[in-house]
Amino acid sequence: KQEVTQIPAALSVPEGENLVLNCSFTDSAIYNLQWFRQDPGKGLTSLLLIQSSQREQTSGRLNASLDKSSGRSTLYIAASQPGDSATYLCAVLETSGSRLTFGEGTQLTVNP
Amino acid sequence: KAGVTQTPRYLIKTRGQQVTLSCSPISGHRSVSWYQQTPGQGLQFLFEYFSETQRNKGNFPGRFSGRQFSNSRSEMNVSTLELGDSALYLCASSPNSATNEKLFFGSGTQLSVL
Repeated sequence: KQEVTQIPAALSVPEGENLVLNCSFTDSAIYNLQWFRQDPGKGLTSLLLIQSSQREQTSGRLNASLDKSSGRSTLYIAASQPGDSATYLCAVLETSGSRLTFGEGTQLTVNP
Repeated sequence: KAGVTQTPRYLIKTRGQQVTLSCSPISGHRSVSWYQQTPGQGLQFLFEYFSETQRNKGNFPGRFSGRQFSNSRSEMNVSTLELGDSALYLCASSPNSATNEKLFFGSGTQLSVL
């Protein structure tokens, strides 16, 4: 059974800091890995999708990497802003079907 | 282009009742998935529909069911509600359920069972 773990569970940083969020998964048989953002009481917004054959994806100040063999992904946020405060979730799409398995998320607070 | 629309936004029910939640995907999207989010269990997959057929199902009891209509709109039903069914129910859509597609989520329906 696929398990996804995110570290740390919570993170508080001053504005302007570069930061890294970590995600690990137990079964490397995945189609892709996605990073999402969730604001309180809201749905999820897809940030980046990395195919299993790719090593990284970039969008603006966000960069996500994937090491499928070791079961790890990182989300790098450059020059953090208060508007980045949210819960960040990673999820893997398994080759066995169309379901996403999510981690528990990292709650990020960026202080002005 | 309108996003994924879920109705109602909030719902309060009592134990034993049943509830139906609705999801309208982005126009042109044929795949609709449902997820349950709770503080204790996080996000868990309920089921996925594609072109009116259930393609995948999570590990939930038979009280949880769903369907998809010819216009791709989807409903999920929970019968004989239990306190533990209180959760945020999220719907997501994608064009074809292909492995290189992002999922687009709605804002969810917050269900409270009293």
